[in-house]
Amino acid sequence: EPEVTQTPSHQVTQMGQEVILRCVPISNHLYFYWYRQILGQKVEFLVSFYNNEISEKSEIFDDQFSVERPDGSNFTLKIRSTKLEDSAMYFCASSERVRSNQPQHFGDGTRLSIL
Amino acid sequence: GIQVEQSPPDLILQEGANSTLRCNFSDSVNNLQWFHQNPWGQLINLFYIPSGTKQNGRLSATTVATERYSLLYISSSQTTDSGVYFCAGGNSGYALNFGKGTSLLVTP
Repeated sequence: EPEVTQTPSHQVTQMGQEVILRCVPISNHLYFYWYRQILGQKVEFLVSFYNNEISEKSEIFDDQFSVERPDGSNFTLKIRSTKLEDSAMYFCASSERVRSNQPQHFGDGTRLSIL
Repeated sequence: GIQVEQSPPDLILQEGANSTLRCNFSDSVNNLQWFHQNPWGQLINLFYIPSGTKQNGRLSATTVATERYSLLYISSSQTTDSGVYFCAGGNSGYALNFGKGTSLLVTP
């Protein structure tokens, strides 16, 4: 079964540094998402992306965050200047073309630790 | 956004017992998913169930869309069922709103 792939599985970064989290969505999917989960808390929506633009974003997704689809397969989340509170598990997800609502398929996550 | 309330927050079962987890939504949803988060943090998709009933082995789920709730049934629980169960719903076509989860511990 096709799956969403995320790299790296664990990233350790110094506060203030830029970090890029990478995702390869399922190949025929057209909608892409990022979520985060702070340790011990619920999963929170960050942003959705379709047709090379952001379709929806949450209050968490402020100016330090950006997303990009640099080529036909990768989808990236960039955090410009990391803060301690950015430490979390970051999940990428994708879903098919939306004729009707479709399930979102999640990757295994990248655990980001900010020191 | 949609508020998602899950109950119970914590559950301890003996192996072999059955359980029901519940999820209530503050608004109607047309996308509803149940997940199991394992000890390694992976989110395992259990069901996509915006309405109706589905079964997969020892697990089944029912969503009553008109009453804005969903139930996850676990029968004959096993220690490997331990973890956190999340439901998530949306109606915008984009964001899934997650509940705080039910933390399940199945003891031998």
